[in-house]
Amino acid sequence: KNQVEQSPQSLIILEGKNCTLQCNYTVSPFSNLRWYKQDTGRGPVSLTIMTFSENTKSNGRYTATLDADTKQSSLHITASQLSDSASYICVVTGVLRSNDYKLSFGAGTTVTVRA
Amino acid sequence: DGGITQSPKYLFRKEGQNVTLSCEQNLNHDAMYWYRQDPGQGLRLIYYSQIVNDFQKGDIAEGYSVSREKKESFPLTVTSAQKNPTAFYLCASSLDGGRGEQFFGPGTRLTVL
Repeated sequence: KNQVEQSPQSLIILEGKNCTLQCNYTVSPFSNLRWYKQDTGRGPVSLTIMTFSENTKSNGRYTATLDADTKQSSLHITASQLSDSASYICVVTGVLRSNDYKLSFGAGTTVTVRA
Repeated sequence: DGGITQSPKYLFRKEGQNVTLSCEQNLNHDAMYWYRQDPGQGLRLIYYSQIVNDFQKGDIAEGYSVSREKKESFPLTVTSAQKNPTAFYLCASSLDGGRGEQFFGPGTRLTVL
């Protein structure tokens, strides 16, 4: 079973509207959580990173939140643009042992922004 | 201009053939990784290397092989033993191989004919 679950699988929004993507994880012990943006046919690019003590992080119109107690994160996109059309991947870094980490990837949420 | 490059962008292979995917980085990163991406699934780790001349199997190493003779290069060979090789392959690198950010290449789409 995947330790990182994302929802919804896909969504369509109108340009200028906001949307929120969800990420639930079971990875433990936890080190950090990243959101990546992946354009079609390209490699993922990091948007935000949050550690255990951080509960919100912004990068322009992207705002990520983290609740480490409930093991949930969200990515909010404000005033969407056509260029926001992409897959958004939640990646959780878990601690295997001292200085040994493992990344767990969600399947991604595909966002389509329509004019 | 620093970055991580992969070639070719598209690759077609006949069944029974081995093919090698190239990955090069000039970020001076110690660690490099190979992932496979299939529709509806998260990225899965094939192999990783934290230092030159050393590499480790990931979660789905069967049917794949790698080498790390130079810090900048981490080629992946998809062998005929890989039963379902059609996928999007992503190479990544990171500074310290731990919890630091992984930087991804643009990917290679492999199709078996």
